[in-house]
Formats: sequence, structure tokens, C-alpha cells
Amino acid sequence: QKEVEQNSGPLSVPEGAIASLNCTYSDRVSQSFFWYRQYSGKSPELIMSIYSNGDKEDGRFTAQLNKASQYVSLLIRDSQPSDSATYLCAVTASGGSYIPTFGRGTSLIVHP
Amino acid sequence: KAGVTQTPRYLIKTRGQQVTLSCSPISGHRSVSWYQQTPGQGLQFLFEYFSETQRNKGNFPGRFSGRQFSNSRSEMNVSTLELGDSALYLCASSGGPPAGEKLFFGSGTQLSVL
Repeated sequence: QKEVEQNSGPLSVPEGAIASLNCTYSDRVSQSFFWYRQYSGKSPELIMSIYSNGDKEDGRFTAQLNKASQYVSLLIRDSQPSDSATYLCAVTASGGSYIPTFGRGTSLIVHP
Repeated sequence: KAGVTQTPRYLIKTRGQQVTLSCSPISGHRSVSWYQQTPGQGLQFLFEYFSETQRNKGNFPGRFSGRQFSNSRSEMNVSTLELGDSALYLCASSGGPPAGEKLFFGSGTQLSVL
């Protein structure tokens, strides 16, 4: 059973701070990793993907992957109230099915 | 490019009824996946269709079924509705590997079973 674990939160950070969201996964052969953002009442939206160990930066977002520790994280720098949402971690294993397993998400609240 | 379109946006049904949800993927995308989202269980995979064939299936009872048409549009059907089927049903399209792992979600259909 492939599992993706996230702290449900809420994670509360002040505006301008760095928000750190974490995700662990159980399947060692996992190959692709994604972060989706879901605003309340809306559908998930892909914001980051990462495939190899290390950091990947895109604007204020940085995804970090450590396959040895089976750990992926998302850092949001200069957090804004508009970043308040649920962040879903998704993991896809190798072997061809390409169906991601989602974590239950971490609720982030950025307060002014 | 138009996004993923799901209809209807909201549905209210009673137990025992049947429901059909529709999804039109992004133009050119051939893979359509369906997910059920509830506060307690999060996003649960139902099934995936590619070129009119069910390619992957999640762990849901046979009351949940789907199909895909030649234009990649997909429908999902739930028969004999139960109270526990109340959820947000999300459709997602993808362009195929390697991009196939990146999902583009529709706005969802909020189903309430009374």
C-alpha cells in the first residue's frame, strides 16, 4: 500500500515569513513528486514538480527532494495571505501507471 | 487553451438513485482520471481512461463506473447512491507521459446524497 503522509495542520505563518510544508512517502521506487495547491471550494492546481534529488526553485516556491529519506518538502518564501490554501503532495511510482497517490494535504494560513 | 470542463457543478440526489457526471479534457489530452474528494479521506483515485480504454482502476465498488468517448470526453456513473457517496468528484486530464503525471483538474462536481 503506497502511502503519502502530510501533517494536516493548520500551519500558521505571518506574512513575509517562510512557510515549510513537508511530505513523506512509503514507496521507495517513487519517481515523480508534485505539489498541488487547493483553495477552499476550488480544485487542485499544480504548482511544482520535482524528479531528482535536490532543490528546484520557481519564483517564491522551492521544492526539495531527498529520496534516501523518502521526503519531499515545499518552501514558500515571502508568504502572502493569498498563499493561504491546502497544499497537496502527490507521488508517482515508476513502472508505468502514472497514477499519483495524494497526501491528505496541509492547510496553510498566512496571517497579515 | 480551454481548461477541463466538468458538468454539472452541483448535484443533489437521494439514496438509491443514479447519477452521471461529465468531463471534457483539455484539447489534445487523451488521459482522463476521476477522483473522489472528501474531508475525511482526501483525494481518492477512481479510474483512468486513455483512448477509450480503462487503463487504471482504484479501489471502489462496481457501482462506480466510467467510460471515455472517441473525442476524449469522459463520463462517470454512480448507481444505487449511498449517503457516503456525498463528495466532490474531480476529473483531471493529462497529456500523456512524461507529462501524463501532471494533472489538470476541472472545477469538480459537488454531489450531495440525501
